[in-house]
Amino acid sequence: KAGVTQTPRYLIKTRGQQVTLSCSPISGHRSVSWYQQTPGQGLQFLFEYFSETQRNKGNFPGRFSGRQFSNSRSEMNVSTLELGDSALYLCASSPGQGAFNQPQHFGDGTRLSIL
Amino acid sequence: AQSVTQLDSQVPVFEEAPVELRCNYSSSVSVYLFWYVQYPNQGLQLLLKYLSGSTLVKSINGFEAEFNKSQTSFHLRKPSVHISDTAEYFCAVSEVAGGTSYGKLTFGQGTILTVHP
Repeated sequence: KAGVTQTPRYLIKTRGQQVTLSCSPISGHRSVSWYQQTPGQGLQFLFEYFSETQRNKGNFPGRFSGRQFSNSRSEMNVSTLELGDSALYLCASSPGQGAFNQPQHFGDGTRLSIL
Repeated sequence: AQSVTQLDSQVPVFEEAPVELRCNYSSSVSVYLFWYVQYPNQGLQLLLKYLSGSTLVKSINGFEAEFNKSQTSFHLRKPSVHISDTAEYFCAVSEVAGGTSYGKLTFGQGTILTVHP
């Protein structure tokens, strides 16, 4: 069974640009969560999508947005990039229903560097 | 709101020695508890989890953790470590129920375990 796939693995952007990251969950998983990992702030929850609907959201500015498609694949977009957005962005998937909706399967992440 | 404190940022040990990585949490509601491991340039891998039932949970590679509700702790232990256990370990909590729990894990700051030969 294929794991969570994130593309691209590495990205370099400049301030003010926007970026889109992609995540394909494990087959059959309907929930996709996104996390930002930085040395200073650690791992922080961005948002979660289930059946194309955002169910939960962390404390990030509106520049961070996402969406989920009918095949459960998800994209995350960051607009007007800032230096502080440099981070490893992790995607995780889970079945999304019942008691066990916590993300348990993570991708290898997209490392975003802002110049 | 929940919080997780990993009491040690770095733990160096020698191969075949025992190790304990400490994790304490704070929450006003019932929680699920997790340990994840992260190797360089990789994502997080679930090591073990406590959802309900027996407070002692074990992984397939020899790690174990015990949920202590009175001390709000979930320490990770291994009786004999290997070089390959060198990695960063994260403790995490999630609320048991409610809309705010969907997909959301609250992580500690991580503990870097370095196993020396």
